[in-house]
Amino acid sequence: NAGVTQTPKFRILKIGQSMTLQCTQDMNHNYMYWYRQDPGMGLKLIYYSVGAGITDKGEVPNGYNVSRSTTEDFPLRLELAAPSQTSVYFCASSPGTLNYNSPLHFGNGTRLTVT
Amino acid sequence: KQEVTQIPAALSVPEGENLVLNCSFTDSAIYNLQWFRQDPGKGLTSLLLIQSSQREQTSGRLNASLDKSSGRSTLYIAASQPGDSATYLCAAQEVTGANNLFFGTGTRLTVIP
Repeated sequence: NAGVTQTPKFRILKIGQSMTLQCTQDMNHNYMYWYRQDPGMGLKLIYYSVGAGITDKGEVPNGYNVSRSTTEDFPLRLELAAPSQTSVYFCASSPGTLNYNSPLHFGNGTRLTVT
Repeated sequence: KQEVTQIPAALSVPEGENLVLNCSFTDSAIYNLQWFRQDPGKGLTSLLLIQSSQREQTSGRLNASLDKSSGRSTLYIAASQPGDSATYLCAAQEVTGANNLFFGTGTRLTVIP
């Protein structure tokens, strides 16, 4: 039972490089989310998707892009990496509107350093 | 904008003690309040979710309460164990279109054997 899988686990980027953080879930969840967690801070929503082909911005979308071509996959793209994007990135999913039967399921995160 | 605060930032207790973690939020218009556990280097695991119409939820040794009018939630852990050592985060879900979760910064709990 894999749940939400994120790759890679760690990555170091140089300023200006680009990369894609992969996220896939095998629970047939409609909703998927990308969060970032900075040291000593709470998680902040970057982008989210309510189904294949539908994405929308969260609190901190600048510098990122997403796509949702399938129910399973929700990749996050960094086009021009900046030191401010050094963070731990978490992907999450849920069946639909959150209720007592469908809490958020998180991946183990990708730790990204931009130097 | 919703602000979620957790106090204390860190807490150490001896094994077997009962303890309470606090969470406060500024906007009472929430859909639900969730408590998560985060182990070092890992993702978040959902512990309890309280709908806005509910007052509390229980799971094993954990009990979470919600008082929307005062903007407060508590997580009660009974008979703490060293395996409970982790960071505990609360998050309030907004009622608008994004259904975004606003997270607190967490309480780092250490249970001393």
